[in-house]
Amino acid sequence: AQRVTQPEKLLSVFKGAPVELKCNYSYSGSPELFWYVQYSRQRLQLLLRHISRESIKGFTADLNKGETSFHLKKPFAQEEDSAMYYCALSVGGGGNKLTFGTGTQLKVEL
Amino acid sequence: GAVVSQHPSWVICKSGTSVKIECRSLDFQATTMFWYRQFPKQSLMLMATSNEGSKATYEQGVEKDKFLINHASLTLSTLTVTSAHPEDSSFYICSAASGRAGGTDTQYFGPGTRLTVL
Repeated sequence: AQRVTQPEKLLSVFKGAPVELKCNYSYSGSPELFWYVQYSRQRLQLLLRHISRESIKGFTADLNKGETSFHLKKPFAQEEDSAMYYCALSVGGGGNKLTFGTGTQLKVEL
Repeated sequence: GAVVSQHPSWVICKSGTSVKIECRSLDFQATTMFWYRQFPKQSLMLMATSNEGSKATYEQGVEKDKFLINHASLTLSTLTVTSAHPEDSSFYICSAASGRAGGTDTQYFGPGTRLTVL
C-alpha cells in the first residue's frame, strides 16, 4: 500500500527566508505526486503536480525517485504563503484516489 | 474554474438519526467523486470512491452499511451517515474529478461539511 510522510507538523519561517516542506512517499510503482494547499477557512486546492513541472506562486517541487521524495520549495517566503500544505500521491493520475500525508502548517512571520 | 459545492456546510443531529450530505459539481460533469473524512488537526482519510451509475468502492475499515453513498448523476453524489453516533462526528469532504484523459485530470474539493452528533 502507498504511504505519504510529512515529518513536520509545523514549519515557521521569516518573511523572505527560503522554505522547504518535506514529503516522502512509499510505493513500489510509478505514482503521481501532488501538493495541495489549504488557506485559512478555505477549501483544499491543488498547488502543483509533478508531471507539470511548473512553478506556482513561486513554489516548485521535484520528484526524486531515488530518495522517494517530493519536497516543496520556495526561495523567498511571503506572508500570504501561510497555510496548511498536504503532499498527496495517486496511482494512475489526479482523477484517481489520493493518499494524503498528515500535512505541514507553514507559518510565515514578519 | 471547476467548483464543487457541499450541502449542508454544518449539521447537528441526535444520536441514532441519519444525515445526508450532498456533493455537487457545479460547472462540470464528474465521472468520479470521492468522500474523505478529516478529524481535527489530522489529514484527510479516503472513505470511498463513487462512480456515476455504479456502486461505491469503500476503503478498508469503512462500513458501507453505515456510510451509504449514491452517485445518481454526473453532478451529484450523496453520503448518508445512518444511525449516527457521537464517534461519527467529523469533517466530511468530497472531491470530484472530471475524468479528463492525458494525465491532466484533477480533483476539485468541496468546502466540507461539519457533522456533530449529540
